[in-house]
Amino acid sequence: EPEVTQTPSHQVTQMGQEVILRCVPISNHLYFYWYRQILGQKVEFLVSFYNNEISEKSEIFDDQFSVERPDGSNFTLKIRSTKLEDSAMYFCASSLQQVGNQPQHFGDGTRLSIL
Amino acid sequence: QKEVEQDPGPLSVPEGAIVSLNCTYSNSAFQYFMWYRQYSRKGPELLMYTYSSGNKEDGRFTAQVDKSSKYISLFIRDSQPSDSATYLCAVDSNYQLIWGAGTKLIIKP
Repeated sequence: EPEVTQTPSHQVTQMGQEVILRCVPISNHLYFYWYRQILGQKVEFLVSFYNNEISEKSEIFDDQFSVERPDGSNFTLKIRSTKLEDSAMYFCASSLQQVGNQPQHFGDGTRLSIL
Repeated sequence: QKEVEQDPGPLSVPEGAIVSLNCTYSNSAFQYFMWYRQYSRKGPELLMYTYSSGNKEDGRFTAQVDKSSKYISLFIRDSQPSDSATYLCAVDSNYQLIWGAGTKLIIKP
């Protein structure tokens, strides 16, 4: 069964450094998403992306965050100047159509640790 | 106002029992409801996906939505130790999912 893959599985970064989290969505999917889950808290929506544009973003997704689909397969989340509170699991998801018509499928996440 | 409420548990039941997991939500406009299962150090795995009110069955799993009371349920029949995981409910809201806290389920052999 096709799956969403994320790399790396664990990223350790010094505060203030830039980090790029990578995702390969399911190949025929058109909608892409990033979520995060801080330890012990709910999963939170960050951003949705379609047709090379951001469709929707949450309040969490401020100017330090950016997303990109640099080629036909990868979808990346960049955090420009990491803070301690950015430490979390980051999940990438994709769907064939927007949520409501087709469900989202998730990768296993990248655990981001900011020191 | 919290949009999706879910008891975090843990919920511990003996193998073979019927498990009932529940969530409530606040916005009557939500129409799509999902249950995901999450094993430790893994991503959420889609289990059930329902639209509007009613029941949906898939093997040992049944998802139920009651829009009049804003209540969603997941039933697991003949529970197995391999069902031990965290179960998350989620609702669709404008291209994003809003999540419950997740219920940790433990099935005792």
